[in-house]
Amino acid sequence: DIVMTQSPDSLAVSLGERATINCKSSQSVLYSSNNKNYLAWYQQKPGQPPKLLFYWASTRESGVPDRFSGSGSGTDFTLTISSLQAEDVAVYYCQQYYSTPYNFGQGTKLEIK
Amino acid sequence: QITLKESGPTLVKPTQTLTLTCTFSGFSLTTSGVGVGWIRQPPGKALECLALIYWDDDKRYSPSLKSRLTIIKDTSKNQVVLTMTNMDPVDTATYYCAHRQVGSGSYDFWGQGTLVTVSS
Repeated sequence: DIVMTQSPDSLAVSLGERATINCKSSQSVLYSSNNKNYLAWYQQKPGQPPKLLFYWASTRESGVPDRFSGSGSGTDFTLTISSLQAEDVAVYYCQQYYSTPYNFGQGTKLEIK
Repeated sequence: QITLKESGPTLVKPTQTLTLTCTFSGFSLTTSGVGVGWIRQPPGKALECLALIYWDDDKRYSPSLKSRLTIIKDTSKNQVVLTMTNMDPVDTATYYCAHRQVGSGSYDFWGQGTLVTVSS
């Protein structure tokens, strides 16, 4: 199985400031034949199911604000919120879909400082 | 518009078998590339993939739970059913079904989830 490890476990950022969440996979999720990273990011607010933010590591899902960005390749990935808004308070998860089981990271809880 | 909804018991006893049904609309499980997965989340904990079924009836299971899980599809009813045997209190969780995005492997549409409590 590919193990996904996120850092930090929790993060407090002031409104308007940048938030950065990291995700590391235990093996590369870059598929060489198409040069795509099989990595997704989700946002989960309390009492709600996860919401897809990015797939292929950096392709923004429709409707996701452009203050969110995804980057990285191979085994190291980053989710960045350029200017934190109050509605961004949530738990964020990365997920690899390179091989089954499509494991998730343990989650990063983002709060307002 | 793709929607999914989970249904099943909210309370099961230890050692019993859990049967959950995912009823969906807005897509067909006969279309090439389509998949439906089950994911669970214990209270306050992380997401865990349980099983995934594809349009061609290919099935994938979590290795740690494979002996306890069965996933099947009923394309005529637009349903996917997950059974989990020998339930234990540690299996208490919200169980979600989700649509696997065609062309990638991420889950782009999710049901609201159903909380299953395992207790005697």
